[in-house]
Amino acid sequence: EPEVTQTPSHQVTQMGQEVILRCVPISNHLYFYWYRQILGQKVEFLVSFYNNEISEKSEIFDDQFSVERPDGSNFTLKIRSTKLEDSAMYFCASKSRSRGTESYEQYFGPGTRLTVT
Amino acid sequence: AQSVTQPDIHITVSEGASLELRCNYSYGATPYLFWYVQSPGQGLQLLLKYFSGDTLVQGIKGFEAEFKRSQSSFNLRKPSVHWSDAAEYFCAVGGLIYNQGGKLIFGQGTELSVKP
Repeated sequence: EPEVTQTPSHQVTQMGQEVILRCVPISNHLYFYWYRQILGQKVEFLVSFYNNEISEKSEIFDDQFSVERPDGSNFTLKIRSTKLEDSAMYFCASKSRSRGTESYEQYFGPGTRLTVT
Repeated sequence: AQSVTQPDIHITVSEGASLELRCNYSYGATPYLFWYVQSPGQGLQLLLKYFSGDTLVQGIKGFEAEFKRSQSSFNLRKPSVHWSDAAEYFCAVGGLIYNQGGKLIFGQGTELSVKP
């Protein structure tokens, strides 16, 4: 069964450093998402991406964040200068655009735990 | 404003007992509703979804949920809980808005503990 994959599973970085979180969405999917979950809190939407551009972003997704689909398979989230409060689990998700109810489902990756020290 | 409320932060049930996890939502358009489960250190697995039609939906692992528009609720149920059901459960709402990405809005989550 196709699945969303994410690398690395755990990333430790120092405050102020840049990090890139990588995701490989399901191959025929066209919508891509990043969510984050701070420890003990709910999952929060960060950004959605379609047709090579951001379709929606949350207030959390400020100028320190960027997303990119550099090739036909990867989808990345970059944090330019990490802060302590960026420590969280980051989930990538993807969704198809086919007709039918399958087009409404988002498939989540296993997440990348980011620890900023 | 769009929101999802899961009133119960933590629930403990005995193995074999029935389970109901509550979810209430506020959404301006036609909602699409989901329940996800997250085991410790794992990602989010979709249990079931509601888009339209029959308001009682069946999911994986013996779970079901009932959509009640009048109560803005989408409660998750299971008739007999197994120890392996211990996990965190998230209710989420989304909508198919073609000029936007269809983000999901999650509730706070309910942590389920199962006692022998």
